[in-house]
Amino acid sequence: SAVISQKPSRDICQRGTSLTIQCQVDSQVTMMFWYRQQPGQSLTLIATANQGSEATYESGFVIDKFPISRPNLTFSTLTVSNMSPEDSSIYLCSGGDGIGYTFGSGTRLTVV
Amino acid sequence: AQSVTQPDIHITVSEGASLELRCNYSYGATPYLFWYVQSPGQGLQLLLKYFSGDTLVQGIKGFEAEFKRSQSSFNLRKPSVHWSDAAEYFCAVGVGGNKLVFGAGTILRVKS
Repeated sequence: SAVISQKPSRDICQRGTSLTIQCQVDSQVTMMFWYRQQPGQSLTLIATANQGSEATYESGFVIDKFPISRPNLTFSTLTVSNMSPEDSSIYLCSGGDGIGYTFGSGTRLTVV
Repeated sequence: AQSVTQPDIHITVSEGASLELRCNYSYGATPYLFWYVQSPGQGLQLLLKYFSGDTLVQGIKGFEAEFKRSQSSFNLRKPSVHWSDAAEYFCAVGVGGNKLVFGAGTILRVKS
């Protein structure tokens, strides 16, 4: 299975600023996804990161708030824009080539 | 709509006792089913997955799960729990586009 590295592992940010999270996979993968895990909650899919094209967002998530890039088959970024305390969550990257994917260790974001 | 229900928010078992975590899903097609484990401050680790074939699936760390189509269930079991198994467990169903829908999670506590 692919190994996924995410950074930063955690950050504390001021409201109104933006944070970019990086996801690096140790091998080329077809699919990459970004999930959000709010405090005490389960995981919710934000979007599918498409290589060379715009990401596909789930209902309730928009590109202006969560712009995503995927320049190649091993790397993706998620930006959390214009942050508010409600954005405090763990953000996880996932990737793989079939159903059932590997997850990164997550980025724990606190917005103050 | 696709959904996953984990009825138990918390479960406490004694070390050495058997464990069963419940998972029910709602999905119109043949489901792809997964169990993940999340230790505090960590990402998600895949325990096991079911795609087709034998309905009893063996996973890592001594876990197994049984797919029962008639009950729309995919319960996770372990014959003897170790203190290191204390974590949060998520059941998930694979839906269109290779995305995952997660249950709310079950927090397992192990008492010595």
